[in-house]
Amino acid sequence: AQSVTQLDSHVSVSEGTPVLLRCNYSSSYSPSLFWYVQHPNKGLQLLLKYTSAATLVKGINGFEAEFKKSETSFHLTKPSAHMSDAAEYFCVVSKDSNYQLIWGAGTKLIIKP
Amino acid sequence: DAGVTQSPTHLIKTRGQQVTLRCSPISGHKSVSWYQQVLGQGPQFIFQYYEKEERGRGNFPDRFSARQFPNYSSELNVNALLLGDSALYLCASSLEETKDSTDTQYFGPGTRLTVL
Repeated sequence: AQSVTQLDSHVSVSEGTPVLLRCNYSSSYSPSLFWYVQHPNKGLQLLLKYTSAATLVKGINGFEAEFKKSETSFHLTKPSAHMSDAAEYFCVVSKDSNYQLIWGAGTKLIIKP
Repeated sequence: DAGVTQSPTHLIKTRGQQVTLRCSPISGHKSVSWYQQVLGQGPQFIFQYYEKEERGRGNFPDRFSARQFPNYSSELNVNALLLGDSALYLCASSLEETKDSTDTQYFGPGTRLTVL
C-alpha cells in the first residue's frame, strides 16, 4: 500500500537560509509525487509534481524536489527562505488503482526574521 | 479563468443534522474529488467522480455521499452529523482527458464545517 511520511512536523529557519523539508514514501510501483502548500486560510496550491520524467523537479517560488528511488525520498528544498514561505507543506503520493491522493501529515515551515 | 469554487465558506450544524456542500470545478475539468481535512492533519480522500460516475471512494461511512451533475459541478452530502465530522472539506478538480488519466488536482478554498 502507498504511504507518505513527512519526517518533521515543524521546521524553523532564518530568512535567507536554505530550506529542507523531508518526505519518504512507500509504493509498490513507480509513483507520482507532489508537494502542495497551504497558507493560513487559503486553499492548497501545487508547488511541483514528479511523474517519472526528470528526477529533479523545479516548482514555483524557487522550490525544487529530487526523486531518489533508492532512498524512497522526495525532499523539498529552496536555497533561500523568504518570509512569505511560512506555511504548511504537504508531501503527496498518488494511489494507482483509484486515483486517490495519499497525503502526509504536513510540515509547518516557520521563518524567523 | 476562475478556479475551483466552493460554497458555503463556513457552516455550523448540530449533531444529527444533514449538510450539503457544493463545488464548481475549473471550466473544462471533468473530474471532481472531495477531501476531509481535520485540524492539524493532512487531507483524507473521500470520493472522486468522473463524468458523473464514482471512480474512487475512501474509507468513510455510508453517511457520506456525493454526486456529479452534467455540468461537472458536484455536491457532497453528510447525514446524521457527528462532532467528529467537524473539518475543512476540500474540493479539487482535474482535467482527465480520458477515464484512465490522472491529472493534477486543483483545490478550492474549502468549506469549514463545525458540528456542535
